[in-house]
Order: sequence, then C-alpha cells, then structure tokens
Amino acid sequence: DVKVTQSSRYLVKRTGEKVFLECVQDMDHENMFWYRQDPGLGLRLIYFSYDVKMKEKGDIPEGYSVSREKKERFSLILESASTNQTSMYLCASSLGGTGSQVVAGNTIYFGEGSWLTVV
Amino acid sequence: GNSVTQMEGPVTLSEEAFLTINCTYTATGYPSLFWYVQYPGEGLQLLLKATKADDKGSNKGFEATYRKETTSFHLEKGSVQVSDSAVYFCALSSGSNFGNEKLTFGTGTRLTIIP
Repeated sequence: DVKVTQSSRYLVKRTGEKVFLECVQDMDHENMFWYRQDPGLGLRLIYFSYDVKMKEKGDIPEGYSVSREKKERFSLILESASTNQTSMYLCASSLGGTGSQVVAGNTIYFGEGSWLTVV
Repeated sequence: GNSVTQMEGPVTLSEEAFLTINCTYTATGYPSLFWYVQYPGEGLQLLLKATKADDKGSNKGFEATYRKETTSFHLEKGSVQVSDSAVYFCALSSGSNFGNEKLTFGTGTRLTIIP
C-alpha cells in the first residue's frame, strides 16, 4: 500500500514562529502536494511539486513556501506563522509522469493530516 | 477555471436509507472525477473514480456515474450503514501532458447515519 506519512499530527505554535511540516511518501511518486482543509471551504491547494527541486504555486500560496530536495520528501514552511494559518494541513502524492506515461485519473494518496494551531 | 459544487450538509439518515450526494462540476477539457471520503480523525481516502464520460465508478456499495451532458457525478448508495458516517468530497483532476494532476475539491458533505 502507498503510504504518505506526515511527521506531526498536532502542533501548537506561536505567532511569528517559523514552522516546518514534513511529509514523506514511500512509492517513488513524482508528484507531491500540500493542501489545507478548513470548514466550509473544503481543501485548497497551497503548493505542488512534480519533480525534485521543482515547485509550483497552488491556489493559496501566500505565507507559505516549500522544499523538495529529495523525491520522497516534501516540506511545507510557514516563514512567520499567523493565526489565520490555524488549519489542518494535508500532504498528498501521485504517480505523475510525462507524455505517454500519463495515466488518466491517477489516484492521489493523502496523509493523515497535521493539525496546526497558531496562538 | 475549474470548480466543483457539491450538496451542502450536514446530511443525517437512518441506517438502510438510500443516499444521494449531488456533485456538479465546471472544467475545461476532459477531467477525471473522484469521490474521496474522510473518516473522523483521518486523512482522505479515495472512494471511487471515473476517467471518461459514462464511466461508472463503484466501491463499498457506493456508485457514481460521469455524466458529461449534465456535468455531474452524483454519489449514491442503496443502503447506508452507521460505518458510512464520514465527510465526502467530490473532486476533479485537471491533468495535463505532464501528469501534473491537481485536484479541485468541493466543500465536502458531512454524513451521519443513525442506527
């Protein structure tokens, strides 16, 4: 089975702190994603990466950055945490590929989520 | 841009009732469509998917048919169980030639089944 592991399930941080959320996948997937989940808003894409050292902004990248130094690891960074970043953060991965390797409807696999509270 | 509109919840049903959760979408091209489920305290799991028009996805007694003419992907189950209580998300994937699947989600529908 595909496993996407988020290192921290629950975090409490202070306003202004630098926060790292770590995610590791064990299926050699090309694509990795960070979403945040808020009541009434569903899931919104923050950043995604389709290769090592490659990243693209999602729908709500402001206040966040990411790092992908190794294929299996994708980190979300809050440079200076603010209370409006209190949320559940979900990491995900998918097979990816290019050209003929693309398979329509590749499944995206999610981790269990990290609950972040900024006080 | 792409968007997904799904039935607002919460939805409360009795055990063995028939379930429908409506989902409609707006997208360019030919997206793939998904239903994900989130059980309490957990991340999202794929429930079912369909990759082209008229495809039917099914799993665990749930079904959804990709209707291009009505841009819909409604989730149905004939007889729900208490264990089906969860939040259900409809989503579409706007894949490109680079395989950069990105999911656009609906807001989620919380389902509670009463014994």
